[in-house]
Amino acid sequence: ETGVTQTPRHLVMGMTNKKSLKCEQHLGHNAMYWYKQSAKKPLELMFVYNFKEQTENNSVPSRFSPECPNSSHLFLHLHTLQPEDSALYLCASSQETGNSGNTIYFGEGSWLTVV
Amino acid sequence: DAKTTQPPSMDCAEGRAANLPCNHSTISGNEYVYWYRQIHSQGPQYIIHGLKNNETNEMASLIITEDRKSSTLILPHATLRDTAVYYCIVRVWGGGSNYKLTFGKGTLLTVNP
Repeated sequence: ETGVTQTPRHLVMGMTNKKSLKCEQHLGHNAMYWYKQSAKKPLELMFVYNFKEQTENNSVPSRFSPECPNSSHLFLHLHTLQPEDSALYLCASSQETGNSGNTIYFGEGSWLTVV
Repeated sequence: DAKTTQPPSMDCAEGRAANLPCNHSTISGNEYVYWYRQIHSQGPQYIIHGLKNNETNEMASLIITEDRKSSTLILPHATLRDTAVYYCIVRVWGGGSNYKLTFGKGTLLTVNP
C-alpha cells in the first residue's frame, strides 16, 4: 500500500466510449502525475500537476484529458481512444519542494484495453 | 537528461546477495539517484535513493561511487519475490517547476531457487 489509490484496476472500453480513470493520494502531497506504460516499453510521463495546476503535458493527444480538482485527486478522462492506447496507466504523487530528492510514489495502475 | 545505463538482465541465486550496477556518468551535482522496481503487472515500487553518501534501508543498500558516475543497488538476501525489473533513474531538472523521473528499460533480475 503506497498511499496512492487508482480505480478502476481494469477497464475495457470501445473506441466510441467515454470513460475516466481516477487517482487519489492519501499522502498530503502537492504534485501528481500520470504515466503510461505500453507493452514492452518504458514508462512514459504524460502529465504533471503541481498544486492543481498543470505544469507539463508531454505531447499527449487531446483524446486524453486530465483533471486535477484538488491536490489529492487526479482524473484522466478518455474519449474516442484507439486500440494502440491500450496500456497500463499509472498515477503517482510527490511532495515537491524544488529539490531533486523528493520521492515519487506510484499507484498500482489501471489496465486499459480499447476494443 | 542524465541518462543511465543498466544491464538488460541478471540472475541471482535465492539467499545470495544481488548486486545491480548502474552507470550515470553525466549526473549533475544536485541530481539524486533513485531505484525502483516493478513486479509484473504492478506499479513501480520505490526502493531507495541517494545523492552522495551510501544509503541503507530495510529493503536494500545503495552504494554510490565517490565521483557519482555509477552506483550499485544491493539486495542482501534475494528471495524469489525479488524477481522484477529494477530501474536506476537520475531525477533531473525538467524545466518549468519539476524534476523529472524518466524511466529506461531497467534490469530484469531473476532470482532462481
